[in-house]
Amino acid sequence: GQQVMQIPQYQHVQEGEDFTTYCNSSTTLSNIQWYKQRPGGHPVFLIQLVKSGEVKKQKRLTFQFGEAKKNSSLHITATQTTDVGTYFCAGANAGGTSYGKLTFGQGTILTVHP
Amino acid sequence: NAGVTQTPKFQVLKTGQSMTLQCAQDMNHEYMSWYRQDPGMGLRLIHYSVGAGITDQGEVPNGYNVSRSTTEDFPLRLLSAAPSQTSVYFCASTPLGRGSEQYFGPGTRLTVT
Repeated sequence: GQQVMQIPQYQHVQEGEDFTTYCNSSTTLSNIQWYKQRPGGHPVFLIQLVKSGEVKKQKRLTFQFGEAKKNSSLHITATQTTDVGTYFCAGANAGGTSYGKLTFGQGTILTVHP
Repeated sequence: NAGVTQTPKFQVLKTGQSMTLQCAQDMNHEYMSWYRQDPGMGLRLIHYSVGAGITDQGEVPNGYNVSRSTTEDFPLRLLSAAPSQTSVYFCASTPLGRGSEQYFGPGTRLTVT
């Protein structure tokens, strides 16, 4: 079955440093979504990427979708303590017929030291 | 709108007991799903439903049953709880159309002793 691998599992940064998490799928994706989960909370949708090579920005966050639609990355510039949490990627299989069905990566836990 | 609600928030069960985790959404979403979250393993899909009367298995369905009699409700039943089912359970719903974002409930933290 489809597998989505996400690295690193943990990342500790000083406030102001940059942060990147990477996501790789074993199969071609129709789209990839990114979620953020604050400690003790539930996942909250950040963004969706659909097109090959797509790049989207949300303030200090930059999201990329690979040309082959099998990998993606999330980059945070100048981290702040409010960025603390777990970041998940989630992919929908290009060949799938069940809309809405996502495979989640293991997540990257980000800690920001003030 | 309340969004996606889940009850209970916390539950402790003894091995062999059964229980139902409740999930409801008031957004008229057709697609609903149940995930479990364990440290280092992300969110794993247990069961999902594309509409009332239609359910299917996800990645880790063993030991769980679901039904979808209405659009709003999607309960998850643990038939005979085992310590391996200790986890945080999230319900999510998605509106029509491929690639729509998932709205998650607040979660149920379950401990099986």
